[in-house]
Amino acid sequence: AQSVAQPEDQVNVAEGNPLTVKCTYSVSGNPYLFWYVQYPNRGLQFLLKYITGDNLVKGSYGFEAEFNKSQTSFHLKKPSALVSDSALYFCAVRDMSMGGKLIFGQGTELSVKP
Amino acid sequence: GAGVSQSPSNKVTEKGKDVELRCDPISGHTALYWYRQSLGQGLEFLIYFQGNSAPDKSGLPSDRFSAERTGGSVSTLTIQRTQQEDSAVYLCASSLSTAGPYEQYFGPGTRLTVT
Repeated sequence: AQSVAQPEDQVNVAEGNPLTVKCTYSVSGNPYLFWYVQYPNRGLQFLLKYITGDNLVKGSYGFEAEFNKSQTSFHLKKPSALVSDSALYFCAVRDMSMGGKLIFGQGTELSVKP
Repeated sequence: GAGVSQSPSNKVTEKGKDVELRCDPISGHTALYWYRQSLGQGLEFLIYFQGNSAPDKSGLPSDRFSAERTGGSVSTLTIQRTQQEDSAVYLCASSLSTAGPYEQYFGPGTRLTVT
């Protein structure tokens, strides 16, 4: 069965510092991996995805993610955090055996303090 | 362009009543998904549609839940005889297709509270 894990419930960083939100996956075959962000009382917003090719994927709002096949990881990164980046972040893998449904990690709460 | 819309945004209902939740996907998206988000369960997949067809309903939590999609567009999730454990945010998403690496775009959700 395919799965995604986000080992940290919460990540705290100071504004201007780099941030990393961790994600590991377990899939058979080549994964389609996604990051979504959720602001309070809002739906999920797509940030970026990995399909194939370059292991460093760039997305919205200055975020990027690094795909590492040997470590089965897909960590989300940003060089300089903003207070407005504070939100709930979800990593997901697409299950192509089930109509492409997304299997989500449990989410990581990112808090960026001034 | 218009994104995924859902209605109502909030719904409070009494235990035992039936509710209907509506999703209007992005125009041209043939794939539509329903998820449920709750504190204890995280983000949980419920059902998907390719066009008007729902090939697998095994993700629905019980037989009180049903969903349909008409005209390859609007979808309705119906919960009969609601229970308190049905309280959650119900999210709808659409995608260009069920095949391929397409991202899903989510609506704002319907917050359902069963009293």
